[in-house]
Amino acid sequence: GIQVEQSPPDLILQEGANSTLRCNFSDSVNNLQWFHQNPWGQLINLFYIPSGTKQNGRLSATTVATERYSLLYISSSQTTDSGVYFCAVARNTGNQFYFGTGTSLTVIP
Amino acid sequence: NAGVTQTPKFRILKIGQSMTLQCTQDMNHNYMYWYRQDPGMGLKLIYYSVGAGITDKGEVPNGYNVSRSTTEDFPLRLELAAPSQTSVYFCASSFRTSGGQNNEQFFGPGTRLTVL
Repeated sequence: GIQVEQSPPDLILQEGANSTLRCNFSDSVNNLQWFHQNPWGQLINLFYIPSGTKQNGRLSATTVATERYSLLYISSSQTTDSGVYFCAVARNTGNQFYFGTGTSLTVIP
Repeated sequence: NAGVTQTPKFRILKIGQSMTLQCTQDMNHNYMYWYRQDPGMGLKLIYYSVGAGITDKGEVPNGYNVSRSTTEDFPLRLELAAPSQTSVYFCASSFRTSGGQNNEQFFGPGTRLTVL
């Protein structure tokens, strides 16, 4: 399978701070997604970003597929950003998605 | 367009009982997946299906069975429930093109299962 490593594993931020989450993967992929798992357990799609850069409000993501990493930027963090952020990838061949172990984010007021 | 729906939301089983977790998607996706998530952990793939009539094992298939008789439905069956199967179960779906492009994966709300 593909190894997916996320860093940092845990992050505590003051409300209003910015942060960068990283996802490294061990093989060529043609799908990369970022998810937010909220405190109620729901998995929310943030970005589908196999390459390039996308922005959605305070969140943006960049994937450099040739160097096998992706970054998720959270600006002006809010308490509602708390939860676990997962990166998932799928390769060009094969049928499975591979998940990282997540970054647990806590935003304190 | 409801996306991916799962039933039930919660269930408590006694050791040795069996049950079926239901999953339905209305996006005409060919690929469907079952994951489990243990407390504080990431998602582990149990089974997946690439189309009606075709299923395959993931990382942790023991103790589970699946079937895919239609494009829309992908039930997960637990036989002889054990405490180790206490977890949150997520169903997901995606569309993979004939050219091999994996498109966005969408998740259901999850089923929280406790085996006592």
